[in-house]
Amino acid sequence: GEDVEQSLFLSVREGDSSVINCTYTDSSSTYLYWYKQEPGAGLQLLTYIFSNMDMKQDQRLTVLLNKKDKHLSLRIADTQTGDSAIYFCAEVDTGRRALTFGSGTRLQVQP
Amino acid sequence: KAGVTQTPRYLIKTRGQQVTLSCSPISGHRSVSWYQQTPGQGLQFLFEYFSETQRNKGNFPGRFSGRQFSNSRSEMNVSTLELGDSALYLCASSQLDPDDSPLHFGNGTRLTVT
Repeated sequence: GEDVEQSLFLSVREGDSSVINCTYTDSSSTYLYWYKQEPGAGLQLLTYIFSNMDMKQDQRLTVLLNKKDKHLSLRIADTQTGDSAIYFCAEVDTGRRALTFGSGTRLQVQP
Repeated sequence: KAGVTQTPRYLIKTRGQQVTLSCSPISGHRSVSWYQQTPGQGLQFLFEYFSETQRNKGNFPGRFSGRQFSNSRSEMNVSTLELGDSALYLCASSQLDPDDSPLHFGNGTRLTVT
């Protein structure tokens, strides 16, 4: 079945770049997503990439997709304390019209 | 444009009771999906509705049900509540099919079963 894996924790200093990595299994997935969840809140759609793209840049966010290795990464430039949150990678399970999520990476930004 | 709205934000129920959660999608969005988030199982798909029809269901018991109205608003119901049903329930909407358009989530309803 589909499985999405992420590392559990990442700590960076304010102003540095953060890179959060994800591996997925469904090669037919049309979109791959990054969501952000702050304490007590729902999921905020950060960005997404279509499966026929290699890279997408959106202000401080850069998404890289390696389809051959089924590897997705999210780079946050100039990381701020407000970026501290849990980041979820998700792939589309095209058979079920549903998202399969990773377990989330907790990003801690130290001043 | 208003985002996905879920009500209520918090609920406390007793084992054996039933509960109904409500979701209003983004205006113009026709697909509504529900997810359960728990510390142990993470984010799991419950079901997806489009034009008042449930098209897909996740691996949850029949105590979990839902419906979608003609204005795309959706409700989910959990009957005979169990302690393990305590979770954050998230609703998401997408303009078209979730396979083809991004899902936008609400802030969720936090259900506590005692």
